Amino acid sequence: DAGVTQSPTHLIKTRGQQVTLRCSPKSGHDTVSWYQQALGQGPQFIFQYYEEEERQRGNFPDRFSGHQFPNYSSELNVNALLLGDSALYLCASSLLSRESSYEQYFGPGTRLTVT
Amino acid sequence: KQEVTQIPAALSVPEGENLVLNCSFTDSAIYNLQWFRQDPGKGLTSLLLIQSSQREQTSGRLNASLDKSSGRSTLYIAASQPGDSATYLCAVRPEDSSYKLIFGSGTRLLVRP
Repeated sequence: DAGVTQSPTHLIKTRGQQVTLRCSPKSGHDTVSWYQQALGQGPQFIFQYYEEEERQRGNFPDRFSGHQFPNYSSELNVNALLLGDSALYLCASSLLSRESSYEQYFGPGTRLTVT
Repeated sequence: KQEVTQIPAALSVPEGENLVLNCSFTDSAIYNLQWFRQDPGKGLTSLLLIQSSQREQTSGRLNASLDKSSGRSTLYIAASQPGDSATYLCAVRPEDSSYKLIFGSGTRLLVRP
């Protein structure tokens, strides 16, 4: 049973560039959330996708956008990169029908470095 | 606004010691609380999930308790081992129709052989 997978593992970009990160949810899951984790901090919620639509968004600028595909996989796009966007980006999946328990399963993350 | 605090920020103990990690949250209106483990530069591994109606959950050497009314949770690790060295994060899911988890900054644990 495949868990949550993310690609790429590491990424180095220059200020002003754009980046796309990818996530495949755990088998059987239909909901994907994205989090940003700065060094030494807890993860911060970016947004969540279900049925290809953004359900909720955290306190992040419009430079952060996402997409969910019919197979439930998801992409996180960040435009006009800033040095402060350097972080570990985590994807988490869950199953809507089990929302009452709502256990989220996290992937290994993508380490983004902006120079 | 919900805030989650974890104390201490770092902890170093000798192998074999029993230890307690603390998590506090400011708003008791939560669906559940989840404890995670994170190894350096890695993703999060879920350890225990406690629903708001529950008082504790156990898994092996780990025991997590929840006192929702006082806004506190503890993670008890029995007979610690060097392999337990990691950062431990707690997260709450607010009751305000929110789908997000709100995390503390974690406790960095080092178990010395």
